[in-house]
Parts: sequence; structure tokens; C-alpha cells
Amino acid sequence: GEDVEQSLFLSVREGDSSVINCTYTDSSSTYLYWYKQEPGAGLQLLTYIFSNMDMKQDQRLTVLLNKKDKHLSLRIADTQTGDSAIYFCAVRSSGSARQLTFGSGTQLTVLP
Amino acid sequence: NAGVTQTPKFQVLKTGQSMTLQCAQDMNHNSMYWYRQDPGMGLRLIYYSASEGTTDKGEVPNGYNVSRLNKREFSLRLESAAPSQTSVYFCASSEVQGIAGGYTFGSGTRLTVV
Repeated sequence: GEDVEQSLFLSVREGDSSVINCTYTDSSSTYLYWYKQEPGAGLQLLTYIFSNMDMKQDQRLTVLLNKKDKHLSLRIADTQTGDSAIYFCAVRSSGSARQLTFGSGTQLTVLP
Repeated sequence: NAGVTQTPKFQVLKTGQSMTLQCAQDMNHNSMYWYRQDPGMGLRLIYYSASEGTTDKGEVPNGYNVSRLNKREFSLRLESAAPSQTSVYFCASSEVQGIAGGYTFGSGTRLTVV
């Protein structure tokens, strides 16, 4: 089955850019997602990218997809303390209909 | 518009007790899911229901049962709780024709088994 991996922790200074990375194994992945989880809350969909795209930008968020290396990244520009949260990468494969496979999540800490 | 509602938010059980976690969605989604979240392990799929009337096992189904009561509701039952089931449980729903099939999550149930 699909395997999705992320590093567990990332710390950045307020105002800097954050880059959260994710790797996956299934080359037939169709949609790839980034979710944000704030303390004590459920996961909230931040953005997604379709597999035929290389990049997607949405305000401060930039998603980059390298299909050859099966690598997905989320860049947050001008990171704020309110961006402190756990960020999950999730992947949907063509053979699994509606099921998503999630990474372990990256805890982003924004330092003042 | 409430989205996905889970009850209860917190629960403490003794080993061997049973309980049912409730989940309801008001978005007319066909598919619903139960995940558990453990530190450093991300979200693991317990059971899912692709449509009303169907349920299937996910990655970690042992010790759990589910019921898709109707299109709105999908419950998760622990028949005999064990300390290994201490976790945060999330219900989610999705519609393929929605945001590229992305999920909408409930706020979670924090379960402690002592």
C-alpha cells in the first residue's frame, strides 16, 4: 500500500518562510493534500494539488510537486505564530477511490 | 452548517467496558471514515463506509465495529476497551465530486482507557 513520510518537527522564526516536506511511494497518486491541525481540533484542509500539476499557489501557501522523486512540499511565506500547528500530508491513489493515506504529521513551531 | 459532529468529546473507560462513538455529517456526503491518531503515527484508518449500507476494514480494525446507520450517521463501537485503544478518534466524510475528494473532519473524541 501507499506509504507517506514526513519529518516530525520544524521550527522557524516569525516572518521567515517554512518548508514542510513529504515523500510518498505510490506513483499512481492522483490528488495530494495538505491539512492543518491546531491543538485540540480536527484536521482542516489547507490546499491540494492534482498530480498533473507541478505547483499551486494560494496566498501565502505554495505547493510544489516533484512526481519523479515522489516529493511534495508546502511552503508558508511570512510565517506567523498563528501558523504553529501540525501539518499533515495526505495522498489519494488512483486504485483506492476515496481513501486517503496520511503522513505522521509535522509539528511546526513558530518562534517570536 | 455544522459539518461533521462527533460525540462525546472526551471519555474515560475502564478496561473491558464498552462504548459507542457517534458521528453525524450534514453535507450529504456518501463516504465516511473513522481514524485514530496516536503521537508520531499520524492517522490510521480503522473502518470506512464508501456509501450507505456498506462498511469495510481499514488498516487497524481489530477491537472495533462500525455501523452506517443511514447516510448521515456512522458510529464506532468498542466492545471491550483495552489500554491500547487510548487515542484520539476522528470521524471524517467526503464526496468524490467535492473538493477533489478531500475529507471534512470532526473535532475528535479523546478516549482514555485505564
